[in-house]
Amino acid sequence: ETGVTQSPTHLIKTRGQQVTLRCSSQSGHNTVSWYQQALGQGPQFIFQYYREEENGRGNFPPRFSGLQFPNYSSELNVNALELDDSALYLCASSLAVGGQNIQYFGAGTRLSVL
Amino acid sequence: AQSVTQLGSHVSVSEGALVLLRCNYSSSVPPYLFWYVQYPNQGLQLLLKYTTGATLVKGINGFEAEFKKSETSFHLTKPSAHMSDAAEYFCAVTPANQAGTALIFGKGTTLSVSS
Repeated sequence: ETGVTQSPTHLIKTRGQQVTLRCSSQSGHNTVSWYQQALGQGPQFIFQYYREEENGRGNFPPRFSGLQFPNYSSELNVNALELDDSALYLCASSLAVGGQNIQYFGAGTRLSVL
Repeated sequence: AQSVTQLGSHVSVSEGALVLLRCNYSSSVPPYLFWYVQYPNQGLQLLLKYTTGATLVKGINGFEAEFKKSETSFHLTKPSAHMSDAAEYFCAVTPANQAGTALIFGKGTTLSVSS
């Protein structure tokens, strides 16, 4: 049990719609990262937020956006959904304090785009 | 830039046999290295990590891995496989001077354990 919770666990949307995924970080963690895991692949980094500011972004288009709130919970928003957005979306929290900054993952949200 | 290669997308062993999952990395700066395990329909659980210090690191559930800089490898081993070890295993790297930023994952190795 990592203390990182994600909601919902499953979601079905149609192409062109918008979706919001939510993540509650482990207590005390100030950094959240989001990853996309397509079927049969390793997770790919989408972006990271540190103290409510974007702190790095992977190779994903602008229709993938995020927010981090003062309580360090987070949202991932995806606009204009495409079929290829179907994947498991993982949230990971960590504590950015000069050190190892180990990332702890939630169980993920499985998004299906029809 | 960093990258990870996991040799063998699928490894099958018998219960009680040695488990060896291979991971090679590429990094232009000293790396931090990780192994994560993923059980069906679950997220990623940290098995073990190498950051600094001892190159042989021990993790949970009897797993260990050795950081070999000369071979750019971080292979995962367990002396005796158990049925409960069947899962997907991911090796990941991040640059040590940017610890806490993006993890770069390999494509994963599925471990099957037969009785």
